[in-house]
Amino acid sequence: DAKTTQPPSMDCAEGRAANLPCNHSTISGNEYVYWYRQIHSQGPQYIIHGLKNNETNEMASLIITEDRKSSTLILPHATLRDTAVYYCIVSAGGTSYGKLTFGQGTILTVHP
Amino acid sequence: GAVVSQHPSWVICKSGTSVKIECRSLDFQATTMFWYRQFPKQSLMLMATSNEGSKATYEQGVEKDKFLINHASLTLSTLTVTSAHPEDSSFYICSASNRGDYGYTFGSGTRLTVV
Repeated sequence: DAKTTQPPSMDCAEGRAANLPCNHSTISGNEYVYWYRQIHSQGPQYIIHGLKNNETNEMASLIITEDRKSSTLILPHATLRDTAVYYCIVSAGGTSYGKLTFGQGTILTVHP
Repeated sequence: GAVVSQHPSWVICKSGTSVKIECRSLDFQATTMFWYRQFPKQSLMLMATSNEGSKATYEQGVEKDKFLINHASLTLSTLTVTSAHPEDSSFYICSASNRGDYGYTFGSGTRLTVV
């Protein structure tokens, strides 16, 4: 699986948009970009995933560059409960689900 | 949405005993489940991939005789930590692939403390 690079930590003011970047320059054609987050002492929570098109759901938006070498997770209106470790992972998807390998992630702290 | 139930949520056991952790997919069938371990302030480390009806595939450095994995049905995988020692104390998390819109769903984790 391709490796990802994320900043170790980020801060965001409550109510503002949080933009979390991820580099995955070695991503291959069949690999999806997944985003998960982990709140302290809980299992990771799925946020969103995509292959090449931008995606949006009730939690977040995922912007993938045209060359697919990087992506940005956007939390449009961050709240204090969004404080967590955010993991960007690339893995084979579609009909052949590959394993998810976690990096160190980004610690997002949302402050009042 | 897809739900994965993990039990127990926490367990304390004596050194030398064995502990079994269950991972169930409640509303979908999971041919593949994954087991992770997480030490404090560290990321999740994949231990093994569990496939229904076949032997698990262990990651390099994970002792298969110590961490026994059984995936006997499409909704249940178990991880047994045999002859547990204090260094096995960790947060164990399972996940399952539902091959749907949610990709992978994770359990809530099991905090194992070996005393």
